[in-house]
Amino acid sequence: DIQMTQSPSSLSASVGDRVTITCRASQAISDSVAWYQQKPGKAPKLLVYGASTLGGGVPSRFSGSGSGTEHTLTISSLQPEDFATYYCHQYYTTAWTFGQGTKVEIK
Amino acid sequence: QVQLVQSGAEVMEPGASVKVSCKASGYIFTNYYLQWVRQAPGQGLEWMGWINPNSGATKYAQKFQGRVTMTRDTSISTVYMEFRNLRFTDTATYYCARGPSQWGQGTLIAVSS
Repeated sequence: DIQMTQSPSSLSASVGDRVTITCRASQAISDSVAWYQQKPGKAPKLLVYGASTLGGGVPSRFSGSGSGTEHTLTISSLQPEDFATYYCHQYYTTAWTFGQGTKVEIK
Repeated sequence: QVQLVQSGAEVMEPGASVKVSCKASGYIFTNYYLQWVRQAPGQGLEWMGWINPNSGATKYAQKFQGRVTMTRDTSISTVYMEFRNLRFTDTATYYCARGPSQWGQGTLIAVSS
């Protein structure tokens, strides 16, 4: 199975900060990567799929990039509603795998 | 539009079995694999397996082999995930998903005595 190593596991940031979360896959996964945001008690919300395509209604401050084994989610200017946990997800193979999650907290 | 609607929450005793359903609509049911993912409280997302609704073929994560069975009923565009010999540690929200952008609403299975 493809392992997705996500970093950092948590971070503290202030409103307006630029935040970057990285996922490294154990093998090349092309652009078959999605990113989700999850708030307590809620289902994951899709932010990005195809490594860089924004999901419907997702603000433009979110962006995804990468190819091969290195993939990144960037929040250009952190907003109060962005404090949440973020997950990467590879669907290059039908045996899906997920990163361990990054909790974004208020500094 | 694509919709995946799951059955409701259940409270089960240890050792019991549960069957969760996921009804698909808005697309040709047999054209897309359906995946099952679970999330224990405060934990990350964990892939359980998939079913090919066209052929009925399945693949399960090794961790769940022997305890999980995924089936489908093409006449009602529904897939099922049966989970046997439940343990306290199986308490989680279980999701079906067609792809990264199409997930069911989740089904909470609580294992409690």
